[in-house]
Amino acid sequence: QKEVEQNSGPLSVPEGAIASLNCTYSDRGSQSFFWYRQYSGKSPELIMSIYSNGDKEDGRFTAQLNKASQYVSLLIRDSQPSDSATYLCATRGGNNRLAFGKGNQVVVIP
Amino acid sequence: EAQVTQNPRYLITVTGKKLTVTCSQNMNHEYMSWYRQDPGLGLRQIYYSMNVEVTDKGDVPEGYKVSRKEKRNFPLILESPSPNQTSLYFCASSLSGTSGIYNEQFFGPGTRLTVL
Repeated sequence: QKEVEQNSGPLSVPEGAIASLNCTYSDRGSQSFFWYRQYSGKSPELIMSIYSNGDKEDGRFTAQLNKASQYVSLLIRDSQPSDSATYLCATRGGNNRLAFGKGNQVVVIP
Repeated sequence: EAQVTQNPRYLITVTGKKLTVTCSQNMNHEYMSWYRQDPGLGLRQIYYSMNVEVTDKGDVPEGYKVSRKEKRNFPLILESPSPNQTSLYFCASSLSGTSGIYNEQFFGPGTRLTVL
């Protein structure tokens, strides 16, 4: 089992809709969780971090963490064409090492 | 401006010709790391450094070397590059310490390497 899994394929959403991305992780020692956005050919940029079970909201983005189920999700409300990108889930454990999933491509259709 | 810089941004080379990709950060971060990104494989860690003179292997260290003689610099060395090292490379840095696991990792702009 991969350390961080993002299984769903490209996600197409109409402009204004909600985009939902999921991520599971295998290391129960993971203590911090991140969502990065990456535009094609560019470097990843952090959009959300979450450390405790529950929801964390920042503008149009909501991250959800369930440590018992080893599950992290990201919701993008009122999706905009500028949200079209690849979203990377990452986890970090006690050794400070950041493990990434393969990413999910999101396409927002105007 | 707080940033991570990499040079060169683009490099085309030939098999066996030693090369170095430089990485520098101006944020006084202890932790630095190198990743490669390939289609379908995502970001994979090559090497990381917890502080000066402290380096360790990541997931895919074969064919690479690193050094950390100064806090701000973390060069990636390919002693004898091969075509399977053609990839997009990212350097990253973050604060470390007891709260290090909660700190954002900042990425450089990337280096696109082609080995012929």
